[in-house]
Amino acid sequence: DGGITQSPKYLFRKEGQNVTLSCEQNLNHDAMYWYRQDPGQGLRLIYYSQIVNDFQKGDIAEGYSVSREKKESFPLTVTSAQKNPTAFYLCASSTRGRTASTDTQYFGPGTRLTVL
Amino acid sequence: QKEVEQNSGPLSVPEGAIASLNCTYSDRGSQSFFWYRQYSGKSPELIMFIYSNGDKEDGRFTAQLNKASQYVSLLIRDSQPSDSATYLCAVDNTDKLIFGTGTRLQVFP
Repeated sequence: DGGITQSPKYLFRKEGQNVTLSCEQNLNHDAMYWYRQDPGQGLRLIYYSQIVNDFQKGDIAEGYSVSREKKESFPLTVTSAQKNPTAFYLCASSTRGRTASTDTQYFGPGTRLTVL
Repeated sequence: QKEVEQNSGPLSVPEGAIASLNCTYSDRGSQSFFWYRQYSGKSPELIMFIYSNGDKEDGRFTAQLNKASQYVSLLIRDSQPSDSATYLCAVDNTDKLIFGTGTRLQVFP
């Protein structure tokens, strides 16, 4: 059963704490992405990775960190430096190529993070 | 800053009507265009993609692309209440996608 899994589904964090969101895929996709979505807003790119051991900052990387040690996994750490982390976090993956069919991103179910 | 623009809505249509959702983009170099549907509280799911000028049909959905005018649209025929959701337009930008803020569609019985 192929797909993208994210855990946990809901996460509560106290101010000043770092938390790590998990994203795993078994689709054999090369590229993985992290997005943040605030209520009534679109998706904003945090970080992305096209290959193991390499990743790039997106539009809103400040206060976040990632690693890509395995092709299947792309965890996101929300650090205490992130001023307003309460949001819906979405992980996606895709193959990479030059045709539309390989650029398509598929999303996990998301993690809803709330800072108390 | 490369942008993707959508009317936030809500777009309200009666059941059985055609819903027309529009999206404009700023980067003339964009090659691939995607429509996602997102139900409230859920993650986006792909409806279809298009990369050639013209129309592409998949069931009740038709995507239309006009690269000269830099817009892409999604038509939903025979709209159903279950189509009520937010529709996100996304445009390829080299190695990532840029998403619009989405259009909320409401289909009433």
